[in-house]
Amino acid sequence: NAGVTQTPKFQVLKTGQSMTLQCAQDMNHNSMYWYRQDPGMGLRLIYYSASEGTTDKGEVPNGYNVSRLNKREFSLRLESAAPSQTSVYFCASSPPRISNQPQHFGDGTRLSIL
Amino acid sequence: KNQVEQSPQSLIILEGKNCTLQCNYTVSPFSNLRWYKQDTGRGPVSLTIMTFSENTKSNGRYTATLDADTKQSSLHITASQLSDSASYICVVSDRGSTLGRLYFGRGTQLTVWP
Repeated sequence: NAGVTQTPKFQVLKTGQSMTLQCAQDMNHNSMYWYRQDPGMGLRLIYYSASEGTTDKGEVPNGYNVSRLNKREFSLRLESAAPSQTSVYFCASSPPRISNQPQHFGDGTRLSIL
Repeated sequence: KNQVEQSPQSLIILEGKNCTLQCNYTVSPFSNLRWYKQDTGRGPVSLTIMTFSENTKSNGRYTATLDADTKQSSLHITASQLSDSASYICVVSDRGSTLGRLYFGRGTQLTVWP
């Protein structure tokens, strides 16, 4: 019973490189999310997907793109990495109506950009 | 402006002691309030979710209270254990959209010493 699985767990990039962070959930949840967590700050929403085939911008979408590949998978892409994107990235999922249901989080991808 | 403020920023207690963490919010219209526990190097895990009509909810040694009139919540931890060492995050959801926007506090870092 894996829940939300993120890969890779750690990554170091050089400025300007691109990469894709992968996320998969096995709970049959409709909604999926990408957050970043920086020291001293709360989690900030980058993008979310309310259902398969739809994606929407969150609070801090600049520099990122997403793909909802199917109901299980939601990927986050950095096209040209910048040092300001050094952060811990969390993927989460939840049932369709988030109001009274908890989000389930993966264990994060720790990304450093030099 | 919708905000979630947590206090204290950090707290150290001895094993076996009780403690209370605070959360004040200005989110409106209010939908629900969640407390999450985040262990070092892991993703957040849901402890409790409370709606407007609920003023207390327990999960083992964790008890959350909500005063929707004063827009305050507390998380009380009873008989603390070393495994309670973690960051505790308060999250408030609004009713402004179908999906429900989530506002994250910065967390209280709790350290339990033996």
